[in-house]
Amino acid sequence: NAGVTQTPKFQVLKTGQSMTLQCAQDMNHNSMYWYRQDPGMGLRLIYYSASEGTTDKGEVPNGYNVSRLNKREFSLRLESAAPSQTSVYFCASSEEGGGTGELFFGEGSRLTVL
Amino acid sequence: GDSVTQMEGPVTLSEEAFLTINCTYTATGYPSLFWYVQYPGEGLQLLLKATKADDKGSNKGFEATYRKETTSFHLEKGSVQVSDSAVYFCALSDWGRDDKIIFGKGTRLHILP
Repeated sequence: NAGVTQTPKFQVLKTGQSMTLQCAQDMNHNSMYWYRQDPGMGLRLIYYSASEGTTDKGEVPNGYNVSRLNKREFSLRLESAAPSQTSVYFCASSEEGGGTGELFFGEGSRLTVL
Repeated sequence: GDSVTQMEGPVTLSEEAFLTINCTYTATGYPSLFWYVQYPGEGLQLLLKATKADDKGSNKGFEATYRKETTSFHLEKGSVQVSDSAVYFCALSDWGRDDKIIFGKGTRLHILP
């Protein structure tokens, strides 16, 4: 009963380093999302993918790239990490996109950029 | 654009107290409205939802009514428990326009025994 799985759960980077956050869901959902959560800012959408092969920018896409590898997997890449990208990142998926509203979230990935 | 505004926390209550967390929204279309809850160290999970005006969502003793005239979706619970301590997020989705779900900033709730 995995649901949405994110890796890694914790990561420390130095400024300028790159990394990829991986996300996979086993619920056969069409839509997938990447959010970041910062104190006092709530959740902000970085990128989303309404279906396999499509991606769209959210509220805060700068400094990130995404890949919808297949229906199950949606990765988030930081090409050159900056301290402002220190955050907790959540991947989520949804069967029918925003309409149903029921997003299923992973447990989060805590990233620290020094 | 669409937005959600919810009361700032933290909110601290004693066990068995009445809870209200205010949420108002701005949307151009006909949004669906949601409350999500985040327990410590976990991701968010859906608590309840309402898809049209005057609908009431309910779950685990929590309720919220979709009020189009006041553009509000306030969360209420008659008697809170220590286990309700969490962060609560109001959210909206403009069904048919895009696949995005917009979240409020969250309200941290502390329940004292």
